[in-house]
Amino acid sequence: KNEVEQSPQNLTAQEGEFITINCSYSVGISALHWLQQHPGGGIVSLFMLSSGKKKHGRLIATINIQEKHSSLHITASHPRDSAVYICAVTGNQFYFGTGTSLTVIP
Amino acid sequence: GAGVSQSPSNKVTEKGKDVELRCDPISGHTALYWYRQSLGQGLEFLIYFQGNSAPDKSGLPSDRFSAERTGGSVSTLTIQRTQQEDSAVYLCASSLASRNNEQFFGPGTRLTVL
Repeated sequence: KNEVEQSPQNLTAQEGEFITINCSYSVGISALHWLQQHPGGGIVSLFMLSSGKKKHGRLIATINIQEKHSSLHITASHPRDSAVYICAVTGNQFYFGTGTSLTVIP
Repeated sequence: GAGVSQSPSNKVTEKGKDVELRCDPISGHTALYWYRQSLGQGLEFLIYFQGNSAPDKSGLPSDRFSAERTGGSVSTLTIQRTQQEDSAVYLCASSLASRNNEQFFGPGTRLTVL
């Protein structure tokens, strides 16, 4: 069993749709990270959370520590949001989800 | 300011050779991380340096892998006697202070072992 599970693995959306990517983890953590990786591109840190909710532009990330669950929301999705989104947790160890591949169609 | 840089960007080597991969973290970042991303696979933690503390080497896959960080800045990841399964993108990241800070990633080194 993976310590970090993401869903869905793949997601296709029409431009403008509201998107949710989920992340569940089974270990104790100090922080949870959402990362973005464009095809052939580098990795960018979107959010780091230890509690509550953070918002940056059209992106919102939430975490529920008791339920060991986090969600990444994208409002008014755009083709440039097409990328792989990776959930990662840090604590005593580092664990990564396998990523969610998002394609936003114009 | 300058971000995390890595060199080389691409490295092709023959099985059995040793390789060195370099990472220059953001100035002032005391934490440095090495990760590996194999084709079609997720990210895998390799090693973590924090200031002058002993590094967390728990992710290194074998004793052929080692890393050092000189002067608390530049880091080198060394793979000895490379194998084909070592082919991957090796990513370096740095952050202020501890592992619970936002990480800034370098562009990676794509290693191909023939």
